[in-house]
Amino acid sequence: AQSVTQLDSHVSVSEGTPVLLRCNYSSSYSPSLFWYVQHPNKGLQLLLKYTSAATLVKGINGFEAEFKKSETSFHLTKPSAHMSDAAEYFCVVSDRRANNLFFGTGTRLTVIP
Amino acid sequence: DAGITQSPRHKVTETGTPVTLRCHQTENHRYMYWYRQDPGHGLRLIHYSYGVKDTDKGEVSDGYSVSRSKTEDFLLTLESATSSQTSVYFCATVAGDSLDSPLHFGNGTRLTVT
Repeated sequence: AQSVTQLDSHVSVSEGTPVLLRCNYSSSYSPSLFWYVQHPNKGLQLLLKYTSAATLVKGINGFEAEFKKSETSFHLTKPSAHMSDAAEYFCVVSDRRANNLFFGTGTRLTVIP
Repeated sequence: DAGITQSPRHKVTETGTPVTLRCHQTENHRYMYWYRQDPGHGLRLIHYSYGVKDTDKGEVSDGYSVSRSKTEDFLLTLESATSSQTSVYFCATVAGDSLDSPLHFGNGTRLTVT
């Protein structure tokens, strides 16, 4: 069965410093993995996805994530945080056999001026 | 995003009353989904549809039913609302035929059951 664990429920960084949001997954076969972002009172928006091509995936707004099979991780990073990055971030794994996506519980990112 | 409109955006209702939430899309996407979002749980799938009149249950389907009579509309009904169904409900579509394609979300419906 697929599952996703987001290791931090809340991350706080200063503007201009790096961002690291951690995600670990469990999967019985090669998964597809996603990061979505949710701004207040909005639906989720895709940041990036991994589907067994390059292990380093670049997304929108300067975010990227690296798929590490040996560590079953898919951490999201950004070199320099911007105030507009403050939002909730969800790591998601696709289970094709169950025709479902499994969402992590989310990480709320706060950016301090 | 992907022309998805959810209505109403906010709803307050009493325990035991029926409630219907509507999702309307303009992109002619085949797959449509209803999720609920609760603190500490992320998003959980309620029901999904893979075509007109073709629907299936998700992981938290008890107490919910759905209908899809047209490609563009996917309705979620709570036959008899309970306080445990207080949540934010999101509709989503996917452009392709696979969950390897990204989901496109509506802006959500905040439902409060008193």
